[in-house]
Amino acid sequence: RKEVEQDPGPFNVPEGATVAFNCTYSNSASQSFFWYRQDCRKEPKLLMSVYSSGNEDGRFTAQLNRASQYISLLIRDSKLSDSATYLCVVLDVGAGSYQLTFGKGTKLSVIP
Amino acid sequence: DAGVTQSPTHLIKTRGQQVTLRCSPKSGHDTVSWYQQALGQGPQFIFQYYEEEERQRGNFPDRFSGHQFPNYSSELNVNALLLGDSALYLCASTLSGGETQYFGPGTRLLVL
Repeated sequence: RKEVEQDPGPFNVPEGATVAFNCTYSNSASQSFFWYRQDCRKEPKLLMSVYSSGNEDGRFTAQLNRASQYISLLIRDSKLSDSATYLCVVLDVGAGSYQLTFGKGTKLSVIP
Repeated sequence: DAGVTQSPTHLIKTRGQQVTLRCSPKSGHDTVSWYQQALGQGPQFIFQYYEEEERQRGNFPDRFSGHQFPNYSSELNVNALLLGDSALYLCASTLSGGETQYFGPGTRLLVL
C-alpha cells in the first residue's frame, strides 16, 4: 500500500519564525511530489512542486531526497496568513493514470 | 475561465440512501479524479475518469461508482450510504498527461 507520512502537528509558531515540515513516502517508484495548502473547510490548493534540486518560491523552499524518500517544506518569516494545513502529496503514474496520494497534513498556526 | 465546480455544496442523507455528486472540470481539462476527505485526514483517491471510462480506482467498495460525460463533466454515485461515508468529497481535474490537479470546492456529505 502506498503511504505518505507527515507529522500532524499542530505547529504553533510566532510571526516571523522559520518552520519546517517533513514527509516520507513509501513508494520508491513515485514520480512527482508536491506540497498543497488547505485552509479550514476549503479545497486543497497547489503550493509548489518539489524537485531533487530543490526549489524556492519567495519565503517557501521545498526539497526532495529520493534516496531517503523524504520531502521537506521550509517557511521563512512566517505570516499570519500562512496558517493552514500543509499536505504532502505524491504522484504515482500507472496504466495511463495519474493518482495523487496525500499525507494527513500538518497543521500550522502562526500566532501574532 | 471557470475553475472546477461541484454541486451541491452540502448534502444531508440518511443511512441506506443513495447520493449523486456532480463535477465540472476546469476548462480544457479532460480527466477527472474523485477524492474522499474525512475529518482530520488527507484526501483519499476514489477513482479517475478519462474518455468516459474509469481509468484507475482506489481502495473503495463497489458502492462507489462514477460516470464521465462527453463534455468531461463527471458524477460520483454512492449507494447504501453508511455513517462512515460522511466526508468532504473533492473533485479534481487535469489535462491527460498533466501532473497538476486542480480541485473544486467540494461537496460536504453528512449521513445521519
